[in-house]
Amino acid sequence: GAGVSQSPSNKVTEKGKDVELRCDPISGHTALYWYRQSLGQGLEFLIYFQGNSAPDKSGLPSDRFSAERTGGSVSTLTIQRTQQEDSAVYLCASTSGRVGPNTGELFFGEGSRLTVL
Amino acid sequence: GQQLNQSPQSMFIQEGEDVSMNCTSSSIFNTWLWYKQDPGEGPVLLIALYKAGELTSNGRLTAQFGITRKDSFLNISASIPSDVGIYFCAGMNYGGSQGNLIFGKGTKLSVKP
Repeated sequence: GAGVSQSPSNKVTEKGKDVELRCDPISGHTALYWYRQSLGQGLEFLIYFQGNSAPDKSGLPSDRFSAERTGGSVSTLTIQRTQQEDSAVYLCASTSGRVGPNTGELFFGEGSRLTVL
Repeated sequence: GQQLNQSPQSMFIQEGEDVSMNCTSSSIFNTWLWYKQDPGEGPVLLIALYKAGELTSNGRLTAQFGITRKDSFLNISASIPSDVGIYFCAGMNYGGSQGNLIFGKGTKLSVKP
């Protein structure tokens, strides 16, 4: 597709279960970000992938959170042993990764809304 | 770490009014960006600023990159109902890791009842 695609769009899970959220970035975009947006809050940076470089994991809130990006394209964010405070919208964004006109323009998906009961 | 203070947190608009919001930072950025998020959607870039003092317009939107490189404002003139949503400022220092894109907490625009 033309834009960033995320799935599932909605996920309801029970406390303690593991969840996987998927992001399919725009074709050719080398940089990929995950953000978390809690109700009424701003965008909390989680993790950033750029090409083959080691990911910037500095925003991951705990070791229950992990992400991988296979083949430099699709990314999966995994949350293990989910807690109620993990409930939020998880947004993925991609960008060309090149410095130049419109540097900083991230293209966001519609997000995956996670509800932990 | 770097933090952005965005204000106001929320505001109500009446059609035709001008709107102003701003962002300040404890440290400098060499890029400022403004995004808008509609309900159920991801944020979309409105304006990008790359030079201190730069004033850029996009239709009814005008944004400025503060001369100190620690602040930016966004103005919306003659607001219309579709302007409602959440506006985010973001600061970045390109040349290093592009992961250093920091977002403000957002300004929520709603229509006056």
